[in-house]
Amino acid sequence: EDKVVQSPLSLVVHEGDTVTLNCSYEVTNFRSLLWYKQEKKAPTFLFMLTSSGIEKKSGRLSSILDKKELFSILNITATQTGDSAVYLCAKGGNKLVFGAGTILRVKS
Amino acid sequence: DAGVTQSPTHLIKTRGQQVTLRCSPKSGHDTVSWYQQALGQGPQFIFQYYEEEERQRGNFPDRFSGHQFPNYSSELNVNALLLGDSALYLCASSGNRGLSYNEQFFGPGTRLTVL
Repeated sequence: EDKVVQSPLSLVVHEGDTVTLNCSYEVTNFRSLLWYKQEKKAPTFLFMLTSSGIEKKSGRLSSILDKKELFSILNITATQTGDSAVYLCAKGGNKLVFGAGTILRVKS
Repeated sequence: DAGVTQSPTHLIKTRGQQVTLRCSPKSGHDTVSWYQQALGQGPQFIFQYYEEEERQRGNFPDRFSGHQFPNYSSELNVNALLLGDSALYLCASSGNRGLSYNEQFFGPGTRLTVL
């Protein structure tokens, strides 16, 4: 059975800090790994990673995939209070398999 | 361009009742997936509909059923509700072409409370 594990479960930082969120996976038929941000209800899409070693970047957020070691990281630099959310990673495909998420709280 | 919409926003039911949740996919999308998200957990896949047929199903009992209409909108039905069915129900839509297939866009969800 496919398994996605995220760490840490929760994190509290101060504005301006840099954070790294981790996602490891054990899956069959890997196609992609996705990152979502969930603030109140709807998870919003951040990144889709399919190739190892290629960094995806959007503003202060970036993510990279290591297909050999079966993990991905999501980095957020210069954090802001608006980054407070649950960050979810998921194995892609017909059926997304999600981790439990990392709760990030950014204090001002 | 409207994104994924769901109704109702909130719903309160009692054990044993039946419920129907509705979803309209993002414009241009033809595939709808349903997920259940319990408090403190990631979303769990219930099933996916494409061309009005259930294409794939997760580990949910037959009490959970669905339907997709010709306009691609979808319904999720849950019969004989249990307390454990209390959760946020998320609908996600995607296009069925190439890599866009994997980019599922989520609606705001329906919060179901079973008393």
